Amino acid sequence: AQRVTQPEKLLSVFKGAPVELKCNYSYSGSPELFWYVQYSRQRLQLLLRHISRESIKGFTADLNKGETSFHLKKPFAQEEDSAMYYCALKGAGANNLFFGTGTRLTVIP
Amino acid sequence: SQTIHQWPATLVQPVGSPLSLECTVEGTSNPNLYWYRQAAGRGLQLLFYSVGIGQISSEVPQNLSASRPQDRQFILSSKKLLLSDSGFYLCAQGALGATQYFGPGTRLTVL
Repeated sequence: AQRVTQPEKLLSVFKGAPVELKCNYSYSGSPELFWYVQYSRQRLQLLLRHISRESIKGFTADLNKGETSFHLKKPFAQEEDSAMYYCALKGAGANNLFFGTGTRLTVIP
Repeated sequence: SQTIHQWPATLVQPVGSPLSLECTVEGTSNPNLYWYRQAAGRGLQLLFYSVGIGQISSEVPQNLSASRPQDRQFILSSKKLLLSDSGFYLCAQGALGATQYFGPGTRLTVL
């Protein structure tokens, strides 16, 4: 069965410090992994997907199949990065996404 | 580009009252549609998804139901609300193998 684990509910870092939001998954096939972000009073929106191998707002995430992880990283955190971050998995041929419980990131000025 | 509308934006209902939340999608045809709930202190939970008119799949058994009367309309309902139904309800759409796009959400408080 699919499972997405985000071990940290809350994460605080100082502005300019590196940040890593952890995500581990469980899936028997080849999943698609996503990171979603929800800023205060805004809708949930897609941040990035592993297929695109892109960097959005300075964030990157690499799919590590050996460790079944998809950690989100940014070398220098900014105050505007404070938000709720969700890791999500979509199984091959599936119609839905499985979300982790989310990590609330607070960047301290 | 697709746009997802949800209403109402906020709703306060007494326990035992009925519920109807509506989601409509613009800019796409035959979308896959989803209802998620985001409860306080918990992550997103998929409630229902639909791949076409009249086709509903339930992920979590509960006192909620969903219907899809039109291609771009998805409705979440309940005959009798429970306190535990309070939460933030999100409608989303996304094609197979692609990303999901979310509506603005409805915040439901059951008293």
